Amino acid sequence: GESVGLHLPTLSVQEGDNSIINCAYSNSASDYFIWYKQESGKGPQFIIDIRSNMDKRQGQRVTVLLNKTVKHLSLQIAATQPGDSAVYLCAENIGSGGGADGLTFGKGTHLIIQP
Amino acid sequence: DSGVTQTPKHLITATGQRVTLRCSPRSGDLSVYWYQQSLDQGLQFLIQYYNGEERAKGNILERFSAQQFPDLHSELNLSSLELGDSALYFCASSPNPGEGYEQYFGPGTRLTVT
Repeated sequence: GESVGLHLPTLSVQEGDNSIINCAYSNSASDYFIWYKQESGKGPQFIIDIRSNMDKRQGQRVTVLLNKTVKHLSLQIAATQPGDSAVYLCAENIGSGGGADGLTFGKGTHLIIQP
Repeated sequence: DSGVTQTPKHLITATGQRVTLRCSPRSGDLSVYWYQQSLDQGLQFLIQYYNGEERAKGNILERFSAQQFPDLHSELNLSSLELGDSALYFCASSPNPGEGYEQYFGPGTRLTVT
């Protein structure tokens, strides 16, 4: 039969605008969350992480927000640049080891930067 | 560059065959993880080793096995290969407990089974 690929949500933003990428996670017991950027043909690249005892964490041009009530995670990228074009993956820890276990990944969001 | 290395970069083999993928973690990292990324399943956790011992198992088939050696490099063995095993295989390593939990991924091995 025909192989069906993952249908990735796509977010298209203008260069210089802020981007917000959303992710719903499944396990209410997860206590560690992490965002990765994956460019075509490359391995996922760590962006930022957050523990469940925090609601917000900021990095360079990026902010991660965690809403445990609705099991929602978001990644905000400020002043989006062409080099930000990639698939963005959210992940949660599988075990109870506080993150030192395997990760469960979402399907990803394809971020496209319009000039 | 994450500091995690994987070999080979590409591998083409036939159904029924066996292959070995190799990974070297970042210097000092004791934990190694293996993931499979396919078009229809996304990125899936297979197995984790910590300092030579198996620590966690994910969606790893019985035809697949892994080990971590005293020098901390790891190998993923895939046997009785099927067409559906064609995928990108990633290795990741993480800092030691207490130092951080982020996982750093290697460039991957693209396996094509024909």
